[in-house]
Amino acid sequence: AQSVTQLGSHVSVSEGALVLLRCNYSSSVPPYLFWYVQYPNQGLQLLLKYTSAATLVKGINGFEAEFKKSETSFHLTKPSAHMSDAAEYFCAVSDQGGKLIFGQGTELSVKP
Amino acid sequence: DSGVTQTPKHLITATGQRVTLRCSPRSGDLSVYWYQQSLDQGLQFLIQYYNGEERAKGNILERFSAQQFPDLHSELNLSSLELGDSALYFCASSPTRASYNEQFFGPGTRLTVL
Repeated sequence: AQSVTQLGSHVSVSEGALVLLRCNYSSSVPPYLFWYVQYPNQGLQLLLKYTSAATLVKGINGFEAEFKKSETSFHLTKPSAHMSDAAEYFCAVSDQGGKLIFGQGTELSVKP
Repeated sequence: DSGVTQTPKHLITATGQRVTLRCSPRSGDLSVYWYQQSLDQGLQFLIQYYNGEERAKGNILERFSAQQFPDLHSELNLSSLELGDSALYFCASSPTRASYNEQFFGPGTRLTVL
């Protein structure tokens, strides 16, 4: 069965600092991986996805993620945090039927 | 705006009652997914429909049911409601069932059971 683990339920960074949100997956088949962001009182919005075309995936709002098969990881990074990045971030893996299996989420706080 | 609409936005009801949540997918999307988000369980997949047919079931209670209509909108029916059913319910849609497809999420329906 596929699963996703997000390390750290809360991450706090200073504005301008590097953002690193960790995601490890478990999958018996080559995975399709996604990062979604949820702003308060809103639905989920796709940041980026990995579909085996390239291991370094660039997304919206300056975020990127690197797929590392040897480490079964798909960590999300952004070089310089903005106040507007404060939100909850979800890593997910898609099963063969298309449903998403989510991690528990990481709440990102950005300090001025 | 994802193009997925959900109604109502908020729903407050009492234990034992029945409610219906409605979802309209993006134009042209054939797959509809329902997810439940709660503090203790996180985001969990409930059920998937593709072009009117049920395709996958997750941790959906027997008190819950869903359907997708010929115009592709979907409804999630929750009955004999319990306090623990209070949660945010999301609908998402995608063009096909392919697992590489992005899913587009609606704004959710917040259900409060008193």
